[in-house]
Amino acid sequence: TQLLEQSPQFLSIQEGENLTVYCNSSSVFSSLQWYRQEPGEGPVLLVTVVTGGEVKKLKRLTFQFGDARKDSSLHITAAQPGDTGLYLCAGFGSRTYKYIFGTGTRLKVLA
Amino acid sequence: GAVVSQHPSRVICKSGTSVKIECRSLDFQATTMFWYRQFPKQSLMLMATSNEGSKATYEQGVEKDKFLINHASLTLSTLTVTSAHPEDSSFYICSAFTLTLNLSDEQFFGPGTRLTVL
Repeated sequence: TQLLEQSPQFLSIQEGENLTVYCNSSSVFSSLQWYRQEPGEGPVLLVTVVTGGEVKKLKRLTFQFGDARKDSSLHITAAQPGDTGLYLCAGFGSRTYKYIFGTGTRLKVLA
Repeated sequence: GAVVSQHPSRVICKSGTSVKIECRSLDFQATTMFWYRQFPKQSLMLMATSNEGSKATYEQGVEKDKFLINHASLTLSTLTVTSAHPEDSSFYICSAFTLTLNLSDEQFFGPGTRLTVL
């Protein structure tokens, strides 16, 4: 069974601080997505990474896919209260042809 | 583009009744749709993979006779929770899968359906 462990599970920080969320697995994924979800809504796609070692930036968010395509990280610079939410990684298996979601990281940014 | 809708957004029903949830891809065709379930403050759990014109593939531990999935067209998949019980209360989310123009796979999520069984 493919598992995606995210760390930390919960994070409460002050506005302006930096943070990194990790997504780790023992399995290889053909691609990995990061989502943010607000309460009562569906997840919203932030980024898709495909190539091992790939780094993508989205404003203050930096995403990295591990060289072996087993892990990923999300780094947020100068966090804002609007960044508050549940962050989810999801790996797509080319053999299983389905997505496996990480355990989730709940972020709260205090003003 | 890549909009997925779900209907209803919220439903409250009595124990023992059946509830149908629709998932539609509005501006693209999706040969595959995924159904997820999410309990409060938890991540998404894949329930089944729905392929147009064929039987759904259910994840281990998901009762196929209880959660009926029909994918009759390239833009519509339905999930029917049969004989619902309070423990079926949850947030049900669908996603439509497509290959993007740059050939990376992506799924686009619907807004979810909150089911409450009394």
